[in-house]
Amino acid sequence: EAQVTQNPRYLITVTGKKLTVTCSQNMNHEYMSWYRQDPGLGLRQIYYSMNVEVTDKGDVPEGYKVSRKEKRNFPLILESPSPNQTSLYFCASSTWLSGANVLTFGAGSRLTVL
Amino acid sequence: DAKTTQPNSMESNEEEPVHLPCNHSTISGTDYIHWYRQLPSQGPEYVIHGLTSNVNNRMASLAIAEDRKSSTLILHRATLRDAAVYYCILRNNNAGNMLTFGGGTRLMVKP
Repeated sequence: EAQVTQNPRYLITVTGKKLTVTCSQNMNHEYMSWYRQDPGLGLRQIYYSMNVEVTDKGDVPEGYKVSRKEKRNFPLILESPSPNQTSLYFCASSTWLSGANVLTFGAGSRLTVL
Repeated sequence: DAKTTQPNSMESNEEEPVHLPCNHSTISGTDYIHWYRQLPSQGPEYVIHGLTSNVNNRMASLAIAEDRKSSTLILHRATLRDAAVYYCILRNNNAGNMLTFGGGTRLMVKP
């Protein structure tokens, strides 16, 4: 089944403890991205990657890092998490369909930073 | 990206058609109109997209106004499983980053 898989789905951590949220897609998509979703603010893009070893900042990159060493994986790294990074995170990959980029999202990772 | 305006919420009865409007008066000639939906506790899901002509797929239809300043997502027979937040988004393929989601329309379906 074509899908985007994120892990962990739920995580509670403490301020300053480094964590990584993994994202993997099995559709051979070149483009991948990370979003965070917060009440009243909608979905905001954190980072995106056009292809292997190519990453760029989205709208809210502060406090996050990403890497794209292989096409299928795009982990999100929080080096020193803070409570304002408590959020619902979505990874997505995209492909071309009828002339436009269309996104496939993962199920989400709910992160709480105490 | 050009801005879209959608009603905050709409209600529908089960098995009736639903028309979800979206205004995008500042759309540019190369902007595609995308619709995504987000069911409770799930990630957003692609529904449909179009440029100028009306589009149909297995999930919905997209009606685009002749001047492209508005569009309507049509669910032909709403089911309880269609209760979700529906996002109308404009996107130019030339830009590097991806879709910008606004507030969307929360669709409630009554049995």
